[in-house]
Amino acid sequence: GAVVSQHPSRVICKSGTSVKIECRSLDFQATTMFWYRQFPKQSLMLMATSNEGSKATYEQGVEKDKFLINHASLTLSTLTVTSAHPEDSSFYICSVLLAGDLTDTQYFGPGTRLTVL
Amino acid sequence: EDKVVQSPLSLVVHEGDTVTLNCSYEVTNFRSLLWYKQEKKAPTFLFMLTSSGIEKKSGRLSSILDKKELSSILNITATQTGDSAIYLCAVRGSNYKLTFGKGTLLTVNP
Repeated sequence: GAVVSQHPSRVICKSGTSVKIECRSLDFQATTMFWYRQFPKQSLMLMATSNEGSKATYEQGVEKDKFLINHASLTLSTLTVTSAHPEDSSFYICSVLLAGDLTDTQYFGPGTRLTVL
Repeated sequence: EDKVVQSPLSLVVHEGDTVTLNCSYEVTNFRSLLWYKQEKKAPTFLFMLTSSGIEKKSGRLSSILDKKELSSILNITATQTGDSAIYLCAVRGSNYKLTFGKGTLLTVNP
C-alpha cells in the first residue's frame, strides 16, 4: 500500500516558538493532502485540506495564520504551528488522498506528537 | 454538516468473545464509509465500503454497509488482546473530506 511519512514523530518546544511538520507521500503524487489534529481520548478533527499549488482550505475555527500549510510539490506538504502555546499540544496527523472515479483511498502518516511547554 | 455517530463508545470483553461495533451517519452525497483501527499512533485502514449489503472480510474482521439505514457494522469474532484499540468509522461525501466518529474503545481482556 501507499506509504506516507511524517517528520518529526515527536517534538517538544517552548511556548512562543514555531514548529514545522513535514508530510511526504512516498509512493505516489498527491494533489490533495489533509491535516488532522487529535486531542487525547478524542477523535480526529480535520484542520485543513492542502492542495498542491494552491492555498489550503481551512475548517471552521482553525486559524490559518497560526497553522500555515504549504503544499509546494506533489509529494510534500508542511504544517507550521506558529507561536505555539501549550493548548496547541496535540497529535497532528497528515493524510494523503488517492481519488478514484468509483472509490477513494486515504492513507495516514504516522503522526507527530507536539508538546508545547 | 456531515455527522458520524459510533456506538458503543467503549466496550470491554473477554478473549474469544464476538463484538459488533456500530456506525451511523448523515452525509451529503455519500461516496464511501471507512473503518480504521487506531492503537498508539495514527489510524490504520481496515475497510472501505461503498455498496450496500456486500460484506467485506479480512480474517476475523468483517463489515457491511446499509445505505437505507445509513449505517454500518464492524464485527470481530474470536477477539484477541491484540484487538484492543480504538475503532474509528469515517464517511466521505462529495467534497472528499472524511468526517470521523468519536470512535469505540475496545478492550479485550485475557
